[in-house]
Amino acid sequence: QVQLVQSEPEVKQSGTSVKVSCKASGYTFTSYYIHWVRQAPLQGLEWMGMISTSNGGTNYAQKFHGRVTMTSDTPTSTVYMELSSLKSEDTAVYYCAREPPGTYRFEYWGQGTLVTVSS
Amino acid sequence: QSALTQPASVSGSPGQSITISCTGTSTDIGAYDSVSWYQHHPGKAPKLIIYEVTNRPSGVSSRFSGSKSGNTASLTISGLQAEDEADYYCSSFTSSGQYVFGSGTKVTVL
Repeated sequence: QVQLVQSEPEVKQSGTSVKVSCKASGYTFTSYYIHWVRQAPLQGLEWMGMISTSNGGTNYAQKFHGRVTMTSDTPTSTVYMELSSLKSEDTAVYYCAREPPGTYRFEYWGQGTLVTVSS
Repeated sequence: QSALTQPASVSGSPGQSITISCTGTSTDIGAYDSVSWYQHHPGKAPKLIIYEVTNRPSGVSSRFSGSKSGNTASLTISGLQAEDEADYYCSSFTSSGQYVFGSGTKVTVL
């Protein structure tokens, strides 16, 4: 069955970086896009960007341009999301989600990774 | 890109029907049939319940249905059940090639 398993919670200092992983299984890794979505406390869902696992192409939300980097490692079927220059407002649960290319839907989601940024 | 507009909360009694609206613009909802809806129970991963405006993934109850008119999409839950109590989010692809979510609606079953 399709699974997206994310890395453990992280606690980071302001100004540092965090790298969250999303390991896929149960399907052909390179046939689907992976998106990253976050939810800050008491806030709604926020789209951060996506990566094509077939060619590494990325598309980042304008809000995160220059601070986010998404990468894909085919041998391990793992996608990474690195967010730099962390601020307290980046405290959130970060989710990865799978999209069949060109379908605009996030059909499977990871369990979420809590990132806490302390000053 | 501003979030799509949803009512903060909607409530109904068991067995009733409720509708959640999701209002965008001509550059997102109005431009594409790409609206999806997600059910989100706190502490769990969001779940896709509607895609491409009206389609239900396999295994999703037929009590969930979607529609769209102009720049506004809607999710209807019929025969409301206690397990439907959750947060609901719409999303849409945009003309800038990105995605936007709605502000979220908390559904309460009275």
